[in-house]
Amino acid sequence: EDKVVQSPLSLVVHEGDTVTLNCSYEVTNFRSLLWYKQEKKAPTFLFMLTSSGIEKKSGRLSSILDKKELFSILNITATQTGDSAIYLCAVEPQGAGNMLTFGGGTRLMVKP
Amino acid sequence: NAGVTQTPKFQVLKTGQSMTLQCAQDMNHNSMYWYRQDPGMGLRLIYYSASEGTTDKGEVPNGYNVSRLNKREFSLRLESAAPSQTSVYFCASLLDRGAQTKNTEAFFGQGTRLTVV
Repeated sequence: EDKVVQSPLSLVVHEGDTVTLNCSYEVTNFRSLLWYKQEKKAPTFLFMLTSSGIEKKSGRLSSILDKKELFSILNITATQTGDSAIYLCAVEPQGAGNMLTFGGGTRLMVKP
Repeated sequence: NAGVTQTPKFQVLKTGQSMTLQCAQDMNHNSMYWYRQDPGMGLRLIYYSASEGTTDKGEVPNGYNVSRLNKREFSLRLESAAPSQTSVYFCASLLDRGAQTKNTEAFFGQGTRLTVV
């Protein structure tokens, strides 16, 4: 059974801080790992990672995958209150259906 | 706007009542999914449909049924609602990825907050 574990469960920081969110996984026939940001409603896509060691970057957010150690991290630098959200990690196996298995999420709160 | 449309947004049911959550996507995606989200548990897959006319159980299928009558629509039915089914439900769709497709982004509906009393 595929499994995704995120840590920490929740995090409170102040604006300007840098945070690192963790995602470890066990999946049969790994295809990709995805990060989503969920504010009040539906999750929105951040990154898809398929190869080890290649950093994906979007503004202050970046993410990297380690397929040997089976984890990924999501970094947010110079955090802003608008970064407050639940961050979800998901893994996609090879095969039909493209089923995603999600982790429990990390709830990030950024205080002014 | 193109995307995934989910209805209703909110629903309160009494234990034992039935209801159907509707989901439609206009992106010509093959794969559609129903998830439930509970605090601290992320999104758990209830059922999914890899293509029109096919459905498969996910992680937490008990108490639910689904129907994929056409490519656009994927409905989730609770035949006899229970308090344990109080949750936020999300429908999602995803284009099957071939070797040439770079993005596996799943598009989500806005969610249905269901309360069973």
